[in-house]
Amino acid sequence: AQSVTQLGSHVSVSEGALVLLRCNYSSSVPPYLFWYVQYPNQGLQLLLKYTTGATLVKGINGFEAEFKKSETSFHLTKPSAHMSDAAEYFCAVTPYGGSQGNLIFGKGTKLSVKP
Amino acid sequence: ETGVTQTPRHLVMGMTNKKSLKCEQHLGHNAMYWYKQSAKKPLELMFVYNFKEQTENNSVPSRFSPECPNSSHLFLHLHTLQPEDSALYLCASSPGDSGANVLTFGAGSRLTVL
Repeated sequence: AQSVTQLGSHVSVSEGALVLLRCNYSSSVPPYLFWYVQYPNQGLQLLLKYTTGATLVKGINGFEAEFKKSETSFHLTKPSAHMSDAAEYFCAVTPYGGSQGNLIFGKGTKLSVKP
Repeated sequence: ETGVTQTPRHLVMGMTNKKSLKCEQHLGHNAMYWYKQSAKKPLELMFVYNFKEQTENNSVPSRFSPECPNSSHLFLHLHTLQPEDSALYLCASSPGDSGANVLTFGAGSRLTVL
């Protein structure tokens, strides 16, 4: 069975500092991988996704993530945090060729940005 | 209106009430979903509809009854709920139900069961 582990339910960084949100997955087949962001009182929106091809994926708002098969990881990074990045971030995985019915979300990491 | 719209945004109901949540998408998508978001738990997929046909029921109790009259509208009918059903209910849509598709979410309906 698939699973997604997001290390750290809360991460706090200073404005301008590096953001690193960790995601590890378990999947018996190659995965599709996603990061979604949820701002207060809103639904989730896609930050970036990996399906096939280049393992370094760039998303919106300066975020990027790298698929590392050997480490079964898909960590999310941003070089310089902005106050507007404060939100909750969700990693999700589904098997290659699978359906949305197989999509599994992590528990989420709440990012706080200090001035 | 664009995107995925959910109404009502907030709902308080007693355990014996009957209410419905509504979701509408203006994206021309063919698949629609209900998710439950509870504190400190991962998003839980409840139902998937693809071209109006239910393709996934994730062992959801029968007190939750979905309805998808067309590809643009999705309802969740609620009946004799329990306090543990209090949560944020998110509707989403996607072009199809392939796993590579991106979900577009609504803002959610916050349900409180007294």
